[in-house]
Amino acid sequence: DAMVIQNPRYQVTQFGKPVTLSCSQTLNHNVMYWYQQKSSQAPKLLFHYYDKDFNNEADTPDNFQSRRPNTSFCFLDIRSPGLGDAAMYLCATSKETSGSYEQYFGPGTRLTVT
Amino acid sequence: GQNIDQPTEMTATEGAIVQINCTYQTSGFNGLFWYQQHAGEAPTFLSYNVLDGLEEKGRFSSFLSRSKGYSYLLLKELQMKDSASYLCASMDSNYQLIWGAGTKLIIKP
Repeated sequence: DAMVIQNPRYQVTQFGKPVTLSCSQTLNHNVMYWYQQKSSQAPKLLFHYYDKDFNNEADTPDNFQSRRPNTSFCFLDIRSPGLGDAAMYLCATSKETSGSYEQYFGPGTRLTVT
Repeated sequence: GQNIDQPTEMTATEGAIVQINCTYQTSGFNGLFWYQQHAGEAPTFLSYNVLDGLEEKGRFSSFLSRSKGYSYLLLKELQMKDSASYLCASMDSNYQLIWGAGTKLIIKP
């Protein structure tokens, strides 16, 4: 089945220790998104890629970086995680053709910072 | 500014009907989405409305009034598995989703 896959599902890292979260998709969608979601809050868009074009949200901290080496894969790098970065990180994809804007989400990676 | 308002929490009884309301203010409008999110899981797509009116999909229906900046999600014949958060999201002029914080729906037997 075509899907969005995130690894790992759970990640524990130490304060200040870099961590990378990965996302892959078999949907062949041209748009990929990274969201941060804290408990009982709305998902917060960090970045998105429209094909290879990278779009950084204005309020995304510099501590967060992203890479998209090809259509299928996207990475989220947190250079120096702080306690406030503990959250669920959601990867989503969409295929922006006329009339189709649904975003498909992966299962998420829950990040704990100790 | 851009804003999505929906109730924080609602409670309903198994077998009943519940309506979750959402009001939105976004820069431009390219449609209104509803997603379901079970605790600790990712959101899953429920509906997309871009024209005024009611869209029915099984036990779930979604309504949109663009002139009022208003939508609702109607859930019929509630089941225990419907206990989840329901997120309303408006797509703005840049085709980005502006998300509400979600309505936690608690179903009681």
